[in-house]
Amino acid sequence: EPEVTQTPSHQVTQMGQEVILRCVPISNHLYFYWYRQILGQKVEFLVSFYNNEISEKSEIFDDQFSVERPDGSNFTLKIRSTKLEDSAMYFCASGGQAVPGANVLTFGAGSRLTVL
Amino acid sequence: AQSVTQLGSHVSVSEGALVLLRCNYSSSVPPYLFWYVQYPNQGLQLLLKYTTGATLVKGINGFEAEFKKSETSFHLTKPSAHMSDAAEYFCAVTSPNNAGNMLTFGGGTRLMVKP
Repeated sequence: EPEVTQTPSHQVTQMGQEVILRCVPISNHLYFYWYRQILGQKVEFLVSFYNNEISEKSEIFDDQFSVERPDGSNFTLKIRSTKLEDSAMYFCASGGQAVPGANVLTFGAGSRLTVL
Repeated sequence: AQSVTQLGSHVSVSEGALVLLRCNYSSSVPPYLFWYVQYPNQGLQLLLKYTTGATLVKGINGFEAEFKKSETSFHLTKPSAHMSDAAEYFCAVTSPNNAGNMLTFGGGTRLMVKP
């Protein structure tokens, strides 16, 4: 069964460093997402991406965050200058349908980011 | 704005017993509702979804959920728990006009199954 692949599975970084989390979505999917889950808290939406641009973003997704689809297979989340509160599990997801709201998302296993 | 509340962060049942995981939502527009399951060290896997039509939806692994508009609920049930059902379960909501397909998740319920 097709799956979404995320790397790294765990990254430890120093506060202020740049981090890039990588995702390989399902190959024929067109919609891409990042969510995060701070330990003990809810899974929160960060950003959705379609047709090479951001379609929606949350308040969390400030200027420190950016997303990119640099080639036909990867989808990346960059945090420019990490803060302690960025420590979380980051989930990438992709979806293939064009029906708003009914898009079934396939999630990756997550990348755990620890900021020291 | 939409929100989801999952009552009970931890639920423990015996193997073979009924599983009931509660989900209540708040939405100003007709909701689309989802249940996802997360096994250890894995991603979120879709169990079932409700968009329109029949309010009782069946999913994988014998789970089902019923959309009750009057109660703003979408509780997840399974008649007989299996040890392999032990996982964390997330209820989520979005809406038909949400072109970005942003999901709003509940806090999750960890299901433990005792032998």
